[in-house]
Amino acid sequence: NAGVTQTPKFQVLKTGQSMTLQCAQDMNHNSMYWYRQDPGMGLRLIYYSASEGTTDKGEVPNGYNVSRLNKREFSLRLESAAPSQTSVYFCASSERRAGNTEAFFGQGTRLTVV
Amino acid sequence: GENVEQHPSTLSVQEGDSAVIKCTYSDSASNYFPWYKQELGKGPQLIIDIRSNVGEKKDQRIAVTLNKTAKHFSLHITETQPEDSAVYFCATLFSGTYKYIFGTGTRLKVLA
Repeated sequence: NAGVTQTPKFQVLKTGQSMTLQCAQDMNHNSMYWYRQDPGMGLRLIYYSASEGTTDKGEVPNGYNVSRLNKREFSLRLESAAPSQTSVYFCASSERRAGNTEAFFGQGTRLTVV
Repeated sequence: GENVEQHPSTLSVQEGDSAVIKCTYSDSASNYFPWYKQELGKGPQLIIDIRSNVGEKKDQRIAVTLNKTAKHFSLHITETQPEDSAVYFCATLFSGTYKYIFGTGTRLKVLA
C-alpha cells in the first residue's frame, strides 16, 4: 500500500523553465492538496481539489496551476519558474469522515530554482 | 480570513519535562482540529485530533485540549523523550469547504 506518491523527489530548474510535479494516491480519497513548505512559514496551501473535477485556490496560488486528472492523480504545474518558488512541495489526500479527516502526505519534492 | 496561528515557533525542553504548543484559529464554525508531527526528510503524520464536541482527548503521553469559545486548541506532551524532537503542526478544516489549513509549525527539541 503506497499511500501518496510524489515524483520527482528532487529537481533543479533554471528561471523561466516549466515543470509538472506529479502526485498519485491509492486510498480512494476524494480530496487532494498541494502545499509548499518554507523555513518559518509552515505548510502553505497552494491549491486543493475537494473532489474529482473541482479545483480551488488556496493561500498562495500565484505562479501555479493544477489539474485533477482523475480521482487518483493531482498535478501541480509551474509555467515559468522563479527563484521565489524554491521550496519543498508536499501533496496530500484526505477523506471527510465522521470520525476524523486525516490528511496523508507524500514524501515531498525538493525544488530549487536558480 | 481563514488562518491558524501557532506558538511558539521553537521550544526546547529537558527530557522528562512537559511541552505545550498552542494554536488559535479564525473560523468559529471549524469543527476538526488535528495535530501533525514531521520528522526530518518526511511528510507530516497525524498524531492526535479532536472534534468540536469534545474538550480534551488523550493518547498515552500526548493530549489535545480545545476551547471553542476562545477559538484555540493546544497540544500537550508529557514526559518528553528525545524521539519527540520534531516539527509539530496544528491544522484545521474550515467548515463549508475542504480547505485544510496548517499553522506555521513548532520545532521541539528535547534535550537529554
